[in-house]
Amino acid sequence: GENVGLHLPTLSVQEGDNSIINCAYSNSASDYFIWYKQESGKGPQFIIDIRSNMDKRQGQRVTVLLNKTVKHLSLQIAATQPGDSAVYFCFAGGTSYGKLTFGQGTILTVHP
Amino acid sequence: GAVVSQHPSWVICKSGTSVKIECRSLDFQATTMFWYRQFPKQSLMLMATSNEGSKATYEQGVEKDKFLINHASLTLSTLTVTSAHPEDSSFYICSASNGLNQPQHFGDGTRLSIL
Repeated sequence: GENVGLHLPTLSVQEGDNSIINCAYSNSASDYFIWYKQESGKGPQFIIDIRSNMDKRQGQRVTVLLNKTVKHLSLQIAATQPGDSAVYFCFAGGTSYGKLTFGQGTILTVHP
Repeated sequence: GAVVSQHPSWVICKSGTSVKIECRSLDFQATTMFWYRQFPKQSLMLMATSNEGSKATYEQGVEKDKFLINHASLTLSTLTVTSAHPEDSSFYICSASNGLNQPQHFGDGTRLSIL
């Protein structure tokens, strides 16, 4: 997978601020994208997904933006809370190659 | 819905022991299951992909004789770490999916410590 073995980048924010986590993918054939949240000592949890026929999708306090032109995906978290502290991973997949490829994760730390 | 159960959650054993980890999809049929390995503060590394009833597909650099994967049913896959050594100590995570372009649902991982 991409970026295997590299230490993860970090993002620190204050409670109540908005957070933006970015992800770049390499395969232009990717047409399905997912953001996962991984808390310490646990497996990743599904947050939100988006397909390539959309450029924006909103959930509860989260928004995913997709820019296929530059192969970029972002996750916006509104009014970030301490419970949002975790590692966030993006996944990119596609029907043409049938396997999800995870992007580099980001460690989000929310300070009270 | 879409719950994946992984067992055990924590294993400590002596060098040379073989360890089996189970991954079960509790409320859906998983046509495909994935096994990952993760070191502290690092990303997940895909080890292998298994489809029910067929042999697993291993990623480059992953020894298939070392990490035996069995996916005998649509709800159960097992990973056996054979003759485990301290360098095999890691966090092993499974995930399950019921379709090509469907989310993977992850188990809570197994922390393996080899003494």
